Amino acid sequence: EVQLVESGGGLVQPGGSLRLSCAASGFTFSSYAMHWVRQAPGKGLEYVSAISSNGGSTYYANSVKGRFTISRDNSKNTLYLQMGSLRAEDMAVYYCASLSSSTHNYWGQGTLVTVSS
Amino acid sequence: EIVLTQSPGTLSLSPGERATLSCRASQSVSSTYLAWYQQKPGQAPRLLIYGASSRATGIPDRFSGSGSGTDFTLTISRLEPEDFAVYYCQQYGSSLTFGGGTKVEIK
Repeated sequence: EVQLVESGGGLVQPGGSLRLSCAASGFTFSSYAMHWVRQAPGKGLEYVSAISSNGGSTYYANSVKGRFTISRDNSKNTLYLQMGSLRAEDMAVYYCASLSSSTHNYWGQGTLVTVSS
Repeated sequence: EIVLTQSPGTLSLSPGERATLSCRASQSVSSTYLAWYQQKPGQAPRLLIYGASSRATGIPDRFSGSGSGTDFTLTISRLEPEDFAVYYCQQYGSSLTFGGGTKVEIK
């Protein structure tokens, strides 16, 4: 069974930093690109970042470029999102996802990031 | 960046009725790369349709997708109680973007 389990969310002050993790199991993690998608309270889905299977290629939404860094450790089957200079508008549930095909479309349960003083 | 605009924002219907949801792209999207998701409160999105018109595994045939170019449609032929949710379109041909969502609520 495929599982994606996010962790690391919590309360952080504006301007602060946080690192999210996503532990993957049930599939060959190193063979798939991975993604972060977020959802602000009561709002829609926003694509945040992506990383290729070997980590050599990354993508960032304009809204987070220069502040967030995506990375992965294929030896630990874990995806990361290092978030810095956090703003109120970054407050959201952050989902880790593996979206490579119609039969490989998996999402974690999400982790909540709250940005507030 | 391709912007996806979904309409209406909210659809109020009764069980058994037909739901028609629209997704319009700011530029042409290959049908191969257009998907629809369902999301219920407190849950992650669930893939319904990929390639504009193909149902994902386990999706009932009351869900159907159609369209091409810049205009795509998700149709739910007869709403079941479990279909009341928020629906998002997604394109994954040029990076990846989501529409703003359509909430299908019970009338």
